[in-house]
Amino acid sequence: EAQVTQNPRYLITVTGKKLTVTCSQNMNHEYMSWYRQDPGLGLRQIYYSMNVEVTDKGDVPEGYKVSRKEKRNFPLILESPSPNQTSLYFCASRERMSTNEQFFGPGTRLTVL
Amino acid sequence: RKEVEQDPGPFNVPEGATVAFNCTYSNSASQSFFWYRQDCRKEPKLLMSVYSSGNEDGRFTAQLNRASQYISLLIRDSKLSDSATYLCVVNRGTDKLIFGTGTRLQVFP
Repeated sequence: EAQVTQNPRYLITVTGKKLTVTCSQNMNHEYMSWYRQDPGLGLRQIYYSMNVEVTDKGDVPEGYKVSRKEKRNFPLILESPSPNQTSLYFCASRERMSTNEQFFGPGTRLTVL
Repeated sequence: RKEVEQDPGPFNVPEGATVAFNCTYSNSASQSFFWYRQDCRKEPKLLMSVYSSGNEDGRFTAQLNRASQYISLLIRDSKLSDSATYLCVVNRGTDKLIFGTGTRLQVFP
């Protein structure tokens, strides 16, 4: 089954404790993204990757890092989480062209205390 | 001003009703347009792409007006299962998708 998976689905952590949210897709997509979704602000792109070893900042990259060592995986790293990073996070992938459908993972609900 | 604007709703309609949502975008270089559906606390999923000539998929009709920079979604014969948030999505022209904040629809019996 074609899908994007994320782990963990739910996470409660404390300020400053490094964490990684994993994302994996099995559709051989080149393009992958991370978004955060907050009430009244919609989905905002954090980072994206056009292909292996090619990543770039989205609209809200501060406080986040990513890597793309393999085509299928695109982990999101929070080196020192803060309460303003409490949000619902989605990983997404699609074929290179932006006219193509974007597939989302099930989401990770993160709470930083 | 947001790059993609939608009325947040909620739109509360009875089963069988016809409902329409509009979305405006500010970047005239935008090239691709979509409607995504998002159920509560779930991931967004593509509902339909929007083409210049307008397109229909069953009970759903999407229209694009480039001159006025707006997109519309019409849902006919609403079902309870149509209750969700509908996201307007625009390609900025730089391979990036911009999401509206969504319009919430609630269909009641």
